[in-house]
Amino acid sequence: QQQVKQSPQSLIVQKGGISIINCAYENTAFDYFPWYQQFPGKGPALLIAIRPDVSEKKEGRFTISFNKSAKQFSLHIMDSQPGDSATYFCAASARTGFQKLVFGTGTRLLVSP
Amino acid sequence: GAVVSQHPSRVICKSGTSVKIECRSLDFQATTMFWYRQFPKKSLMLMATSNEGSKATYEQGVEKDKFLINHASLTLSTLTVTSAHPEDSSFYICSARSSWTTASTDTQYFGPGTRLTVL
Repeated sequence: QQQVKQSPQSLIVQKGGISIINCAYENTAFDYFPWYQQFPGKGPALLIAIRPDVSEKKEGRFTISFNKSAKQFSLHIMDSQPGDSATYFCAASARTGFQKLVFGTGTRLLVSP
Repeated sequence: GAVVSQHPSRVICKSGTSVKIECRSLDFQATTMFWYRQFPKKSLMLMATSNEGSKATYEQGVEKDKFLINHASLTLSTLTVTSAHPEDSSFYICSARSSWTTASTDTQYFGPGTRLTVL
């Protein structure tokens, strides 16, 4: 019940296209859903996060869509650029238990020029 | 704002020696810091949760006597890998969560990671 399932494992998108990464969870106590971007040899950097009281959040080219009833959330990267090529992790946490993050397995995104 | 640093960024040590990794929150106070381990092309694996002034809470399967964690202040946590062996070679990453209202108390900010290689 603590798992966060992420798909796809890898993704190739042409420059200017839309990248879509999906995550699903089981634990209904989760109430915070961040997305992290990680470049090789670096620590993860917070991209955008959402709480279950809204269905969508947009920051620049990045949008999170959240479906509470389906227990799913997704990251959309509009106008994908080669510089977006990285590994993306979804995560979830609940307000109990030190608010530990449960991470998805990651998606390696490659944006071709 | 919300910068977390780690030192060193890379360390190579001989088998049997101990290595200390520092994690600092530079511009905010963190009551809680987390230590992760990441294998190549894999997700982050939480090792332990560190609260300032109290003992760390370790995840199942993580040896507390091998991975010593100290959270002595609101801006510093250390991870010491004792009697390191080649299988301890990995990428270790810390994160910190703000305890004050200047940043979301849910948000974890990650350090740049430390690459440990044990020969």
